[in-house]
Amino acid sequence: DVKVTQSSRYLVKRTGEKVFLECVQDMDHENMFWYRQDPGLGLRLIYFSYDVKMKEKGDIPEGYSVSREKKERFSLILESASTNQTSMYLCASIPGGTGNTIYFGEGSWLTVV
Amino acid sequence: AQSVAQPEDQVNVAEGNPLTVKCTYSVSGNPYLFWYVQYPNRGLQFLLKYITGDNLVKGSYGFEAEFNKSQTSFHLKKPSALVSDSALYFCAVRDIRDDKIIFGKGTRLHILP
Repeated sequence: DVKVTQSSRYLVKRTGEKVFLECVQDMDHENMFWYRQDPGLGLRLIYFSYDVKMKEKGDIPEGYSVSREKKERFSLILESASTNQTSMYLCASIPGGTGNTIYFGEGSWLTVV
Repeated sequence: AQSVAQPEDQVNVAEGNPLTVKCTYSVSGNPYLFWYVQYPNRGLQFLLKYITGDNLVKGSYGFEAEFNKSQTSFHLKKPSALVSDSALYFCAVRDIRDDKIIFGKGTRLHILP
């Protein structure tokens, strides 16, 4: 089975801190995604990557950056956390090609105080 | 730009009754369509997908969905609801010309004993 692992399930950070959310997938997938989930807003795409060192902005990239130095790892970075970034963050991966299924991690709950 | 609409925030169904969760989409080209389910404090789990072929797609846990191109809909259905089906359901669309996958806002399904 495909496994997408988000190393931190629950984090509490202070305003202004730099935050790293790590995601690792074990199936050699080309494409990886970061979404945030908020009640009533569903999943919103922050960034995605279709190859190592490649990244594309999603719908809400402001306040975030990403890093993909290795194919299996896709990191989301909050340079200076703010309270409005308190949310559930979901990482996902999908093989290249068409019609494939996207696989999700278990999510990271981030609270910024 | 592609988009997905789930017009109902919540659906209540009595156990044993049929259920429908609605989804409509908009893409420029041919769509790939997905349904996912989320249980509390978990990531999203894949239920089923439509890529091409038969308009009626069968998936996990007895769910099925019908692709209707003229109405641009992909409603999720189950003939007989179980209390354990209570969860948050997301519809998603991927344009075959794009790597992005866009999710709806989600529909919370309550199955009443």
